[in-house]
Amino acid sequence: AQRVTQPEKLLSVFKGAPVELKCNYSYSGSPELFWYVQYSRQRLQLLLRHISRESIKGFTADLNKGETSFHLKKPFAQEEDSAMYYCALKAGGTSYGKLTFGQGTILTVHP
Amino acid sequence: KAGVTQTPRYLIKTRGQQVTLSCSPISGHRSVSWYQQTPGQGLQFLFEYFSETQRNKGNFPGRFSGRQFSNSRSEMNVSTLELGDSALYLCASSLGSSSTAHEQYFGPGTRLTVT
Repeated sequence: AQRVTQPEKLLSVFKGAPVELKCNYSYSGSPELFWYVQYSRQRLQLLLRHISRESIKGFTADLNKGETSFHLKKPFAQEEDSAMYYCALKAGGTSYGKLTFGQGTILTVHP
Repeated sequence: KAGVTQTPRYLIKTRGQQVTLSCSPISGHRSVSWYQQTPGQGLQFLFEYFSETQRNKGNFPGRFSGRQFSNSRSEMNVSTLELGDSALYLCASSLGSSSTAHEQYFGPGTRLTVT
């Protein structure tokens, strides 16, 4: 069975500081990894996915299969980045619409 | 494009009752997934439907069931409610037509309180 761990429940940084939200996973096959974000009073939405290898809102995440990690990084945090962030994994094969989520990290960016 | 809608948004039920929640996906999306969100367990996958067939199932008891209609709308049912079923129930829709994960679009959720 697969598992996603986000070790930090809360993360606080100041505006302009770098931020890194950690995500580790356990899965024996080749997973697809995602970061979802939920801003205050908004729906859960996709931030980025590892297969796209793109930067969204200044965030990037690299899949490290050796360390089974998919950490989310941004060099200069902004106040509008304050939100709940979830790391999610889709197993290979026939998992289709099944995502396994981490417990989430609440990011607060102070002015 | 209208987003995923869920009805009702809030629900209060008594232990032992049953409840039905509804989810209307984005037009053209054929996959609907359901998740339970609680403070203690976080987001947990319940099941996924695609073209009226259950394609994946999570580790929930048989009291949790669902179905999907020909227009892709989906319902989930919880019978014999327990206090622990109090949660936010989220549905998400996606194109879902291949094994590569399509982006899941989430609804606002239904907040179920069991007393």
